[in-house]
This record gives sequence, structure tokens and C-alpha cells, in this order.
Amino acid sequence: NAGVTQTPKFQVLKTGQSMTLQCAQDMNHNSMYWYRQDPGMGLRLIYYSASEGTTDKGEVPNGYNVSRLNKREFSLRLESAAPSQTSVYFCASSSPLAGLAGPDEQYFGPGTRLTVT
Amino acid sequence: AQSVAQPEDQVNVAEGNPLTVKCTYSVSGNPYLFWYVQYPNRGLQFLLKYITGDNLVKGSYGFEAEFNKSQTSFHLKKPSALVSDSALYFCAVRDMFSGGYNKLIFGAGTRLAVHP
Repeated sequence: NAGVTQTPKFQVLKTGQSMTLQCAQDMNHNSMYWYRQDPGMGLRLIYYSASEGTTDKGEVPNGYNVSRLNKREFSLRLESAAPSQTSVYFCASSSPLAGLAGPDEQYFGPGTRLTVT
Repeated sequence: AQSVAQPEDQVNVAEGNPLTVKCTYSVSGNPYLFWYVQYPNRGLQFLLKYITGDNLVKGSYGFEAEFNKSQTSFHLKKPSALVSDSALYFCAVRDMFSGGYNKLIFGAGTRLAVHP
């Protein structure tokens, strides 16, 4: 049981390049999330997928797109990278209590450290 | 909107001493509060959560948190700090998506440094 896995671990891009960050979970969780972590700002939600087949914008969606490929996988795409997207990106998953949006903990992947020059 | 604040960027404590990492919250309705820890170059790990009931919540690694409704606080505590507790700690509050699903709103984080 690997939990939440992310690839790649590190990436350096030039401004204007594109890339996709991959995330997969093996806990049969319904909900998946993408966050970015910047110093002094905590974690900010980029996009989320409440359940398979749905995606929605979080706090800071500009410059990103997502795909919920199936229940396990949730990818984040940068179409045209900018230096402001230099950050550490975390994927997380969670499973609401049955039938209701009960309080639940999120499980995080190890992160992708992205630098855009 | 729900929010949490962590007023200290860094907390320094000597090994063996008690530690407190502060968190205050602002919510409408009942608060659902969480603490997470992040070790260097790792993702966040769940420590504990408050939903309802006892104001003192016990969690992983000997940590506990005290919920105080009148002070709107949820401080993280440990009676005796270890050097291995040195990490970044995040307080979070549950918010709701439209459609009834959860999301978490995180504080900015507090770096805990435990010195030998």
C-alpha cells in the first residue's frame, strides 16, 4: 500500500514550457486535491476533484489545468510555465464519511519541487 | 469564510521542555480542526483532529491539542519535546465545497525547532 505517489520529484522548466505532474492513490479515496506550498503562505488549493468525473477550481487555479483520469489518478498540467509557478506541489486524497461530507483527514504525497527559470 | 491563523513563524524549545504551537480559528458553525506535521522534504502527515466532544484531543507521536471555544483557539501541545519533533506544523480548518464535500484551509505554518 503505497498511499499517495507523485512523479516527478524534481523538475526544472524554462518559461513557456509545459509539463504534467502525475498523482496516484491506492486507498480507494473519492476526493483528490492539488496544492502548492510557498514559504510563509502555507498550502493553497489549486484544483480539487470531489469525486471521479468532477473537477473544480480552488483558490489559485490560474495557469493550471487538471484531469481526473480515473478514481486513482489526478494530474496537474502547466500549459505555459511562468517563474511565479516555482513552488512545491502536493497531491492529496481523502474519503468522506459514508453518505455525508464528514470531517476527514487528507493523505499527502511526497511533493514535486518545480523550478521555472 | 473559514480561516485559521498561526501567529508564530517559529517556536524554539529545549529538548525535554513542554512545547506549544498556537492556532486560532474563525468559522461559522461548528469548527472541525486539524493539525498536520511536515518533516523536511516530505508531504504533510495527519497528527490529530477535533470534531466534537472532549476539548483535549490526543494524537500521534505524543501530541495533543486543546480546543477552547471561548478563545477560538486550538493549540498543539506536547509535555516533553524531542529533537525529532523539529518540523513544520500546520493548523487547518474544514470548509465545504458546494455539493457538500470537504476541503481544508491551512494556516501559514509554524516551524518548531527543538534544541538538544
